[in-house]
Amino acid sequence: QSALTQPASVSGSPGQSITISCTGTSSDVGGYDYVSWYQHHPGKAPKFIIYDVTNRPSGVSNRFSGSKSGNTASLTISGLQAEDEADYYCTSYTSRSTLVFGTGTTVTVL
Amino acid sequence: QVQLVESGGGVVQPGRSLRLSCEASGFTFSSYGMHWVRQAPGKGLEWVAVLYSDGSNEYYADSVMGRFTISRDNSKNTLFLQMNSLRVEDTAVYYCARDQGVDTTWYEIDSWGQGTLVAVSS
Repeated sequence: QSALTQPASVSGSPGQSITISCTGTSSDVGGYDYVSWYQHHPGKAPKFIIYDVTNRPSGVSNRFSGSKSGNTASLTISGLQAEDEADYYCTSYTSRSTLVFGTGTTVTVL
Repeated sequence: QVQLVESGGGVVQPGRSLRLSCEASGFTFSSYGMHWVRQAPGKGLEWVAVLYSDGSNEYYADSVMGRFTISRDNSKNTLFLQMNSLRVEDTAVYYCARDQGVDTTWYEIDSWGQGTLVAVSS
């Protein structure tokens, strides 16, 4: 039950676009479309920003978008803003009927 | 709106037990699967367990299998996590979280509590 692999950190300037990858296996990311993404500001509850690989919950900015190719899912943040500075996590359903989180990515707005 | 309030955290010695509770409000608790997720100090989020809405199925992370038990009381809108044989590495903030599926479990969490801290130390 290994964690999904994410880059430890990604940075960008205001207005730019950044992409965070989330790599798993055919038993999780590659096998199912139950991939979600969360934004987590330290000390606060995580926020649900993407589900079913590409869908945004109501109220989430359309600057956030998701995609998947094979065993790797991706989150793209366009028009980067200072408030986007946070930790980001992906999750996936697995073939063992469990949930696995990614290792987490810290986004820094330069 | 959805509210999840955890309680029961604290400091406990290795090998002892602790029971966390999560009181839910603002939605029909019995229609949703529920999860526990934890975050150790300086570490990432780690999924702990899930319990389906009707209590028919429960699944655990390998790291807690055989030591932790997730349960619920739908009449009291409350989720529990019984933690036995606690280890130093179980030290974390424990979050109660709601699955977004209604009457089915999608393994996608749409709501989180604020968390309760469990510290395992001698």
